[in-house]
Amino acid sequence: GENVEQHPSTLSVQEGDSAVIKCTYSDSASNYFPWYKQELGKRPQLIIDIRSNVGEKKDQRIAVTLNKTAKHFSLHITETQPEDSAVYFCAASTGNQFYFGTGTSLTVIP
Amino acid sequence: NAGVTQTPKFQVLKTGQSMTLQCAQDMNHEYMSWYRQDPGMGLRLIHYSVGAGITDQGEVPNGYNVSRSTTEDFPLRLLSAAPSQTSVYFCASSYSSLGPEAFFGQGTRLTVV
Repeated sequence: GENVEQHPSTLSVQEGDSAVIKCTYSDSASNYFPWYKQELGKRPQLIIDIRSNVGEKKDQRIAVTLNKTAKHFSLHITETQPEDSAVYFCAASTGNQFYFGTGTSLTVIP
Repeated sequence: NAGVTQTPKFQVLKTGQSMTLQCAQDMNHEYMSWYRQDPGMGLRLIHYSVGAGITDQGEVPNGYNVSRSTTEDFPLRLLSAAPSQTSVYFCASSYSSLGPEAFFGQGTRLTVV
């Protein structure tokens, strides 16, 4: 099956700096890549997603890039704010199943 | 529009007991799934369903059963609870496994003693 690896596991940045989280996947058949944000004690929430026919997608301060050849995709958060502090999960879907990374705990220091 | 409703929020079971976690969605989503979340391991798929009457195993199905008699409901049954099943469980639904959206329930924190 699919194997999704996510790095780093923890990330601390100063408010206003950028944060980058990277994921790799193993199954070239994966064609949908969502990112989720999970605040402490809350449910995961979709923040952005990208499909395999697109290389980059942006939504305000958040962007995702996909390199199909290298089988990796990344989440970029610019101008970070304290409310961005949370655990972020990447995922890959091959069509019927989602495979999640192990999460990145992001702390934005005011 | 309630989204995905998952109950209960907390549960303590004794080893060997059985129980059912309830999940219902009102968005007419075809795809529903159950995950468990353990520290340092992300979300792992237990079972999923692509429509009423159709279920399939995910990554960690042992010890769990599901059924999908209606589009709205997707209960998860623990047959004989074990301490290894102590976890946080999330139900999720989406239009399909190909997105564009996945809605999660509020989660169930299950402790098996």
